[in-house]
Amino acid sequence: GQNIDQPTEMTATEGAIVQINCTYQTSGFNGLFWYQQHAGEAPTFLSYNVLDGLEEKGRFSSFLSRSKGYSYLLLKELQMKDSASYLCAVRDNQGGKLIFGQGTELSVKP
Amino acid sequence: DAGITQSPRYKITETGRQVTLMCHQTWSHSYMFWYRQDLGHGLRLIYYSAAADITDKGEVPDGYVVSRSKTENFPLTLESATRSQTSVYFCASSEHLGSTEAFFGQGTRLTVV
Repeated sequence: GQNIDQPTEMTATEGAIVQINCTYQTSGFNGLFWYQQHAGEAPTFLSYNVLDGLEEKGRFSSFLSRSKGYSYLLLKELQMKDSASYLCAVRDNQGGKLIFGQGTELSVKP
Repeated sequence: DAGITQSPRYKITETGRQVTLMCHQTWSHSYMFWYRQDLGHGLRLIYYSAAADITDKGEVPDGYVVSRSKTENFPLTLESATRSQTSVYFCASSEHLGSTEAFFGQGTRLTVV
């Protein structure tokens, strides 16, 4: 089976940097996704990692270590609009099942 | 319009009734997923499908039925709705097993009274 853990809530200051961690256990791994979800809206794609290392996309970066079952999402130069829930999801390599963690609610304060 | 669409966007139904939530995608993606989202539980996978006529259970399949007779459609049916199935339901699709992104529909808010 799959198990994914993320912190429930985080708070950060506008302009700062925040790192949201995700740990996972899975019987077969075929990629890790990060999504952003604002209240009342659908999740929107942020990043994808399948190999170890860092993927950078503007103010957002995501890191993966497959041996440690660990990923993080790094948000730089935080803006108020970054206040949202951040969802970590893992895909298995058997049937392509895509399982999400509970999400991390990020509050950005002035 | 291209994309993934869900209907209806909002639905109120009574306990014991059958209700079907529709999901349609225009990309011919192989994979489609149904999730429910409740406070404190995040997105939980109900069913998924790797291709037409291939479906499999997710984390919380009980009380739900799916079918995939055509690649572009993946309806979710609650055969006898219960109050515990009040939730927001999201459909998603991805092109293939190695896709780098999965796309979500706008969601259906279902209330069972």
